Amino acid sequence: GEDVEQSLFLSVREGDSSVINCTYTDSSSTYLYWYKQEPGAGLQLLTYIFSNMDMKQDQRLTVLLNKKDKHLSLRIADTQTGDSAIYFCAETPSSGSARQLTFGSGTQLTVLP
Amino acid sequence: EADIYQTPRYLVIGTGKKITLECSQTMGHDKMYWYQQDPGMELHLIHYSYGVNSTEKGDLSSESTVSRIRTEHFPLTLESARPSHTSQYLCASRGAASYEQYFGPGTRLTVT
Repeated sequence: GEDVEQSLFLSVREGDSSVINCTYTDSSSTYLYWYKQEPGAGLQLLTYIFSNMDMKQDQRLTVLLNKKDKHLSLRIADTQTGDSAIYFCAETPSSGSARQLTFGSGTQLTVLP
Repeated sequence: EADIYQTPRYLVIGTGKKITLECSQTMGHDKMYWYQQDPGMELHLIHYSYGVNSTEKGDLSSESTVSRIRTEHFPLTLESARPSHTSQYLCASRGAASYEQYFGPGTRLTVT
């Protein structure tokens, strides 16, 4: 079945860039997503990328997709303390009309002052 | 911004009680989902619905049941809660022509 993997922890200094990495196994993945979860809250959709793209930029967020290596990354420029949260990578397959998401285990980003 | 609501946000109940977790969305989305988020923070799909009167079990086996009588409403029921059901339950929805899945704030359930 599908598998999505992320490193569990990342610490950066305020003002630096953060790069959160994700690998997936399903070569038929259609869309790949990044969600943010703050303590006690639900998941907030940050951005997503279609599998025929290799980069997407949205303000401080840059998503890079290497489809050959099945590697997805999220770069946050000028990281702020408010960016401290858990970031989930997720993918949805091309087959199946329900388009349910398969999630990674999440990366806890800690931004140090 | 998504309009998807879950109640209650927090619930502490005793073993053996029947509970229903509510999820509603006002966007007219036909696809709705329930995920369980365990203490290790990984999310697992437990139920989903294509539309009214259509429900399916997800990847993770669950003793809960769901119903979809109205488009906007997708409640999850546990007939007899057990401590192993302690978890966070997240509801999500998606429109027919969209790949954006939006999440509610979650219900944190503790069964004592």
